[in-house]
Amino acid sequence: GAVVSQHPSWVICKSGTSVKIECRSLDFQATTMFWYRQFPKQSLMLMATSNEGSKATYEQGVEKDKFLINHASLTLSTLTVTSAHPEDSSFYICSASRTDPNTEAFFGQGTRLTVV
Amino acid sequence: SQQGEEDPQALSIQEGENATMNCSYKTSINNLQWYRQNSGRGLVHLILIRSNEREKHSGRLRVTLDTSKKSSSLLITASRAADTASYFCATANYGQNFVFGPGTRLSVLP
Repeated sequence: GAVVSQHPSWVICKSGTSVKIECRSLDFQATTMFWYRQFPKQSLMLMATSNEGSKATYEQGVEKDKFLINHASLTLSTLTVTSAHPEDSSFYICSASRTDPNTEAFFGQGTRLTVV
Repeated sequence: SQQGEEDPQALSIQEGENATMNCSYKTSINNLQWYRQNSGRGLVHLILIRSNEREKHSGRLRVTLDTSKKSSSLLITASRAADTASYFCATANYGQNFVFGPGTRLSVLP
């Protein structure tokens, strides 16, 4: 089956620094990828839709200048958390799916971000 | 906005028992999917049921879909300790992203 690889799986950074998270689809081309955020014991909340070759579409309430998304190729999307603060600490998960809407989404293993 | 809502939010059962989780949603859908998440990990796809299907099986999993009631259920039969995880339903409409419910935390006690 298709595999989505997310890196790093965990990261600890100092407040004020930026962190980049990569999401790669390993065996299919993904024109669209999704970035989710998950707080402890809660569900996944969609942050933004990453579109290859164009600007990302952000959900209401998500700061696009803080969460920079780049989808430079059909297999790679990156999420950069800029000027991170402790409240940005969370679990971030990306997903990709084929163009057929009746297929499953494939998820990365997630990135645990801790800002100290 | 949240689309799917699972209940119960938490479920604790003994090994060998069956576990039933329910999911309700609000708008029309193309399909509904169930995912499993072990603590601190990514999501694993379990089963997809299309809007024109009523029931689907996969191993010990049985999923039903009632579009008139906008609800779905996931049944895990003969549960095992390894089934302990959070289970989420996600709905998708054509061309749109998945919307996840809050999830059910299942604990299977040995």
